[in-house]
Amino acid sequence: EVQVVESGGGLIRPGGSLRLACAASGLTFSSFSLSWVRQAPGKGLEWVSAISSSGRFTYYADPVKGRFTIVRDNSKNTVFLEMTSLRADDTALYYCRAVDGPTPHDYWGQGTLVTVSS
Amino acid sequence: SYELTQPSSVSVSLGQTARITCSGDVLAKKFSRWFQQRPGQAPMLVIYKDTERPSGIPERFSASTSGITVTLTITGAQFEDEADYYCYSAADDYRVFGGGTKLIVL
Repeated sequence: EVQVVESGGGLIRPGGSLRLACAASGLTFSSFSLSWVRQAPGKGLEWVSAISSSGRFTYYADPVKGRFTIVRDNSKNTVFLEMTSLRADDTALYYCRAVDGPTPHDYWGQGTLVTVSS
Repeated sequence: SYELTQPSSVSVSLGQTARITCSGDVLAKKFSRWFQQRPGQAPMLVIYKDTERPSGIPERFSASTSGITVTLTITGAQFEDEADYYCYSAADDYRVFGGGTKLIVL
């Protein structure tokens, strides 16, 4: 059974930094691209960042470009999202998503909540 | 960046057919996916590669594509289909979700 588990969320002051982690099991981790997707309270899904299966290529949504960094450790089946200069509008439930190319193997965690507030 | 446009809500009577559209330039060039999200739950894939249905997804879920528009169709909608639905596509260096459509089953 595939499991995707996020961690690292919490309450952080504006301007602060936070590192989210996502551990996946039950799949061939190095074959999957990984993404972070967030959902602000009562709002829709917003893609945040993605990293290729090898880790060679990374992609970012415009609102987080220059502030967030995605990295993966294929030896530990884990992907991280380093978030800096956090703002109130970064407050959201952050989901980790693992996708194996164009296949239906598309797995999501239950999310970790990030609240940016003074 | 790319945008995908969906209606904010669609209503359907129990057992009838619901259609949810999604439009965006990227859809003419890249595959789309559809996700269902029930309250308090993570999104779940219901359609991939424009029209393919993952195993375990009921046959009443289908999709079609025409130009820059993709359409999710639920034939014989059930109460358990009431949820938010999001289209999605991935360009070379960008990924995008539609704004989401709340499906209301009456």
